[in-house]
Amino acid sequence: QQQVKQSPQSLIVQKGGIPIINCAYENTAFDYFPWYQQFPGKGPALLIAIRPDVSEKKEGRFTISFNKSAKQFSLHIMDSQPGDSATYFCAASMWGSSQGGSEKLVFGKGTKLTVNP
Amino acid sequence: DVKVTQSSRYLVKRTGEKVFLECVQDMDHENMFWYRQDPGLGLRLIYFSYDVKMKEKGDIPEGYSVSREKKERFSLILESASTNQTSMYLCASSFGMHGSNDEQFFGPGTRLTVL
Repeated sequence: QQQVKQSPQSLIVQKGGIPIINCAYENTAFDYFPWYQQFPGKGPALLIAIRPDVSEKKEGRFTISFNKSAKQFSLHIMDSQPGDSATYFCAASMWGSSQGGSEKLVFGKGTKLTVNP
Repeated sequence: DVKVTQSSRYLVKRTGEKVFLECVQDMDHENMFWYRQDPGLGLRLIYFSYDVKMKEKGDIPEGYSVSREKKERFSLILESASTNQTSMYLCASSFGMHGSNDEQFFGPGTRLTVL
């Protein structure tokens, strides 16, 4: 119930393409869904996050789509660039409902994205 | 800017050695985390601390212990290193209950090789 399943494991697109990464969860108590981006040699960094009261959130070329009934969320990268090549992790937590001491993120296994020039 | 620093970028140790990985954050965060990252397995939580001297086991605590004597510092200890602990270790911190979200800030990682 605590798992977040992420797919695909790897993805290769051409510059300008729209890669889509999908995640699914089981625990309906999750109320915070972030995406992290990790470049080689660096730690992950928060890219964009969504709460279940909205179905979509955009920040620049990055969009999260959220389907509460299906318990799925996805990351879309519009007009992808070679600089977007990185590993992307989805995650979930029960931040809003936590009692303190339990603000843990459950991470997906990651998607390695390669954007060819 | 939030900064999370880890004591070493690369570390090579021998089987059976006691290993200390240090992490320091400069934003007065309540929560600190240790993860290990392995190809195809993503980020797995080893231990979590939500206050000084407080700790919780994560998903894979076996073979590890932690120490948090000061709010800004969280140490991961491998009591007797084994080859299956060769991995990338990532430290992170977050504001905790008093923050506006659950964003975790990560350090650059320590790549540990156990021979």
